[in-house]
Amino acid sequence: DVKVTQSSRYLVKRTGEKVFLECVQDMDHENMFWYRQDPGLGLRLIYFSYDVKMKEKGDIPEGYSVSREKKERFSLILESASTNQTSMYLCASSLGGGYSYNEQFFGPGTRLTVL
Amino acid sequence: DQQVKQNSPSLSVQEGRISILNCDYTNSMFDYFLWYKKYPAEGPTFLISISSIKDKNEDGRFTVFLNKSAKHLSLHIVPSQPGDSAVYFCAASGGFSGGYNKLIFGAGTRLAVHP
Repeated sequence: DVKVTQSSRYLVKRTGEKVFLECVQDMDHENMFWYRQDPGLGLRLIYFSYDVKMKEKGDIPEGYSVSREKKERFSLILESASTNQTSMYLCASSLGGGYSYNEQFFGPGTRLTVL
Repeated sequence: DQQVKQNSPSLSVQEGRISILNCDYTNSMFDYFLWYKKYPAEGPTFLISISSIKDKNEDGRFTVFLNKSAKHLSLHIVPSQPGDSAVYFCAASGGFSGGYNKLIFGAGTRLAVHP
C-alpha cells in the first residue's frame, strides 16, 4: 500500500520563525511535490523535485525553499514565516521519467498557523 | 491566470440522483486530466482520469467526459451516495510539464449528498 507521510498534522509558529515541513514516501518515486491549499484557490504548486538534489520552482515559490537529500524525503522550508503563509500544506509523489500516467499520491497534509 | 477552472464552489444533490461536476481549461497543450477527491483532514486521493485521445472513461459509478473542442470536462457520479460528500478537484497535465508530471489543479467543488 502506497504511503506518503508528513511529519506534523498541525503546527503553530510565530512570525519570523524558520519552519521545516518534512515529507517521506515509501514508493521509490522520482517526483515529489509541495502544494498549499487555500479556500477558493485549490492546490497551488510551491516546488517540486524530479530527482535527488534536483528542484524546480512551482507557481508560488516566494518565501519558500526545499531540500531533497534522499530520494524518499522532501522538505519544505519557510525561511522566515509570515502570517500569509498560514495554510494547509500537502506533499505528493509520483513516478517519474516518461510515464504518461500522472497520478500523484498525497500525504494527509500539515495545517500550519503562523501567529 | 487560472488555467483550470471549477466555477461551482459547491453542489448539493439528493442521494440516489446524479451528481455532475464541471471543469474548464484554457491550455490546449493539456493532454491528461484527473479528478481527485478530498475528505476533511485527509490528503486528496485519485479518483479517475482521462487521456485526451478519449472522450469518455468509466469506473463503476464514476464517469468522466472530455469535450476537447470546448475545453471542458465533467465528472458524473451515478447514483450519488452520502459517502461521496467531499471536495472534488479537477487537475490537468501535459505539454509544458517536461515529463515531470506537473499537475494544474482547479479550485475544487464541494459536493454534499443528502438523504
